[in-house]
Amino acid sequence: NAGVTQTPKFRVLKTGQSMTLLCAQDMNHEYMYWYRQDPGMGLRLIHYSVGEGTTAKGEVPDGYNVSRLKKQNFLLGLESAAPSQTSVYFCASSYLGQGGEAFFGQGTRLTVV
Amino acid sequence: DAKTTQPTSMDCAEGRAANLPCNHSTISGNEYVYWYRQIHSQGPQYIIHGLKNNETNEMASLIITEDRKSSTLILPHATLRDTAVYYCIVYTSGTYKYIFGTGTRLKVLA
Repeated sequence: NAGVTQTPKFRVLKTGQSMTLLCAQDMNHEYMYWYRQDPGMGLRLIHYSVGEGTTAKGEVPDGYNVSRLKKQNFLLGLESAAPSQTSVYFCASSYLGQGGEAFFGQGTRLTVV
Repeated sequence: DAKTTQPTSMDCAEGRAANLPCNHSTISGNEYVYWYRQIHSQGPQYIIHGLKNNETNEMASLIITEDRKSSTLILPHATLRDTAVYYCIVYTSGTYKYIFGTGTRLKVLA
């Protein structure tokens, strides 16, 4: 039982490049989330999903796209990376929308130069 | 979404109880109070949550005031490993999303 696994753990991108961050959970959770955390700041919600095939915008969705084609996977895409997207990205999943705890991955540290 | 207010930082002596306050004066009746912590740059870790009643688990206790406008997370015997940023979150039913604030940086002193 691995919990929530994020791939990759580190990445350096050049401005304008694209990439996809993968989040996988093996707990059969319905809800999945992508957050970003900038230095010295709290986590900000980018996008989330309440089930396979559904996604919704969070607080800071601009510049990102997501997909939830399989229940266990939640992909975060950057189509044209910008230096402002340099951050640590966390994925999380939870079984219930309320009354249940969220489990977080260990993060992906992304640098855009 | 209900907002939370927490002190920026706190110190606590090792072995003593750490009491972390949180103000959520605009909380609605169906909104839960959650606490998470983040050690170094790891992913946040769930601690405890509650709706109206006080809650206790193996990690901590959560005291929610009768009017639900504030709460306190209590770590009964703080250790150096409890040094972390603690986030108080009001979870809004039906929105399916946890909104984090900036948290309280707790430093446990030897």
